[in-house]
Amino acid sequence: AQSVTQPDIHITVSEGASLELRCNYSYGATPYLFWYVQSPGQGLQLLLKYFSGDTLVQGIKGFEAEFKRSQSSFNLRKPSVHWSDAAEYFCAVGDMYRNKLVFGAGTILRVKS
Amino acid sequence: KAGVTQTPRYLIKTRGQQVTLSCSPISGHRSVSWYQQTPGQGLQFLFEYFSETQRNKGNFPGRFSGRQFSNSRSEMNVSTLELGDSALYLCASSGTDPTNEKLFFGSGTQLSVL
Repeated sequence: AQSVTQPDIHITVSEGASLELRCNYSYGATPYLFWYVQSPGQGLQLLLKYFSGDTLVQGIKGFEAEFKRSQSSFNLRKPSVHWSDAAEYFCAVGDMYRNKLVFGAGTILRVKS
Repeated sequence: KAGVTQTPRYLIKTRGQQVTLSCSPISGHRSVSWYQQTPGQGLQFLFEYFSETQRNKGNFPGRFSGRQFSNSRSEMNVSTLELGDSALYLCASSGTDPTNEKLFFGSGTQLSVL
């Protein structure tokens, strides 16, 4: 069965510092991987996705993620965090029916000034 | 281009009642998916409709049902509401380009069951 683990429930970083959010997945075939962000009371916004090809994926808002098959990981990174990045971040994996996603539990990002 | 629209934004119901939530996808999108989000269980897939047919289903009881109309608008229904059905229900639509498919989410309907 597919599963996604986000080991960090909360992360606090200083504004301007770098960020890495961890995501590990379990999936039997080539996974389709996603990172979404959710602000309080809002829906989910797609940051980036990996279907195939280059394992370093660029997304919106300066985010990137690297797919590492050997480690079953898809970690999200940003070189310099802004206060507006404070939100909850979800990693998700999909199968051939890409609209049926399995989400991780989420990581709440706090940004301190 | 208008985004995914969900109505109503908030709902309060009592146990045993039923509820219908509505979702209007982005124009041209034919796939609509529904997700339930709770603090305890996180985000869970309910079902997906494509061209008025249920294409995929999650592990939810039969009290949860949905449908899609010819204009791609979708509704989901929950009958005999339980306290545990309190959640944010998110709808997402997607296009048909398999090389660039992604989900666009609405802001959700917050359902409270008392």
